[in-house]
Amino acid sequence: ETGVTQTPRHLVMGMTNKKSLKCEQHLGHNAMYWYKQSAKKPLELMFVYSLEERVENNSVPSRFSPECPNSSHLFLHLHTLQPEDSALYLCASSRYRDSSYEQYFGPGTRLTVT
Amino acid sequence: ILNVEQSPQSLHVQEGDSTNFTCSFPSSNFYALHWYRWETAKSPEALFVMTLNGDEKKKGRISATLNTKEGYSYLYIKGSQPEDSATYLCALNYGGSQGNLIFGKGTKLSVKP
Repeated sequence: ETGVTQTPRHLVMGMTNKKSLKCEQHLGHNAMYWYKQSAKKPLELMFVYSLEERVENNSVPSRFSPECPNSSHLFLHLHTLQPEDSALYLCASSRYRDSSYEQYFGPGTRLTVT
Repeated sequence: ILNVEQSPQSLHVQEGDSTNFTCSFPSSNFYALHWYRWETAKSPEALFVMTLNGDEKKKGRISATLNTKEGYSYLYIKGSQPEDSATYLCALNYGGSQGNLIFGKGTKLSVKP
């Protein structure tokens, strides 16, 4: 276990639904991340939060809306998604180690948009 | 656009074989290199963080080397075991805020007993 949990682990939603992904870290880290992994593509960074402030938004469509209410929790709110948004969504948190930020990942939410 | 390349894409070896794979990255944007091990249905697990040219790190039967001047890192597994079967990811920290990482597609290793 990495100390980062994600719920739900699997989600099937229609294009008109609204749902939220939740991430929680119990490691005392102060930065959290959302990544997307589509089939045959590398992990792509979506959002970065540092001390609850969004510091990076990698040109992600507005149908994905992140929220970081405190340093332990991160949400990804989903609405009017497209089938091409079906992917594995991974959350991570980080600590500074060996001159870099070592990221700890959750197990991911497998999202299917129908 | 920064690109991290990993090769081979997949690898099948017999138990007991030693193996290695490559991660290539643009040397002009180097801050740190991370290696992760990702088993199916589990979380990616951090293996190494490497920052200095010539760095060599070891964890049990797994080791990694780094050449920042030519932009590559090798991961070695000595005496592969079935439990080593996983996807091995490398990621470049190019110095962005909070150590943003650019990942390669990974090398999927299968070790047959």
